[in-house]
Amino acid sequence: ILNVEQSPQSLHVQEGDSTNFTCSFPSSNFYALHWYRWETAKSPEALFVMTLNGDEKKKGRISATLNTKEGYSYLYIKGSQPEDSATYLCAFRARNNNDMRFGAGTRLTVKP
Amino acid sequence: GAGVSQSPSNKVTEKGKDVELRCDPISGHTALYWYRQSLGQGLEFLIYFQGNSAPDKSGLPSDRFSAERTGGSVSTLTIQRTQQEDSAVYLCASSLDWSDLYGYTFGSGTRLTVV
Repeated sequence: ILNVEQSPQSLHVQEGDSTNFTCSFPSSNFYALHWYRWETAKSPEALFVMTLNGDEKKKGRISATLNTKEGYSYLYIKGSQPEDSATYLCAFRARNNNDMRFGAGTRLTVKP
Repeated sequence: GAGVSQSPSNKVTEKGKDVELRCDPISGHTALYWYRQSLGQGLEFLIYFQGNSAPDKSGLPSDRFSAERTGGSVSTLTIQRTQQEDSAVYLCASSLDWSDLYGYTFGSGTRLTVV
């Protein structure tokens, strides 16, 4: 069973706040860890793909880290803006598995 | 096409009726996946197609669910005798093949409501 857990389930922050979320996944048989941003009525948008322990990725104000040995990844948003409001999904891929297993997501709401 | 296209975008159906959801993947993508997200839940894997290989149906929740992929391109997910618990957003994704890390692209989904 590939359990992918995300926390918190939802988060409300003020514009300008920095925030972070957690994704935990099985530490064995690791292949890749994906982060997606999903706005209502739109397609999930790929943010990062991380494959190596210690990977750090950055895209504008958003960054992510990866620890495959202990099975967790953090997503950070610096200086949150209202347009960052979305559900952030992480997905784990195991070796020799055909699909990605997703967490339930963290729903972020940024208030102006 | 330029992206993954799903239709319809919204579907309301009566309990007990059959529904068909369509996915048109990116041209040249051999891998195609169906997921669904029920209210408050994560994305749940349903079925995976890779080229001409037998599909991985391990995620289908019951025998009321079936899917086919014609000519290695368009896929149809069929739900027979719909139940209220089938209400969810059904997402399709495609990639070049199963190992493709960067080309995994989602459609915008079909929101199914069973009343």
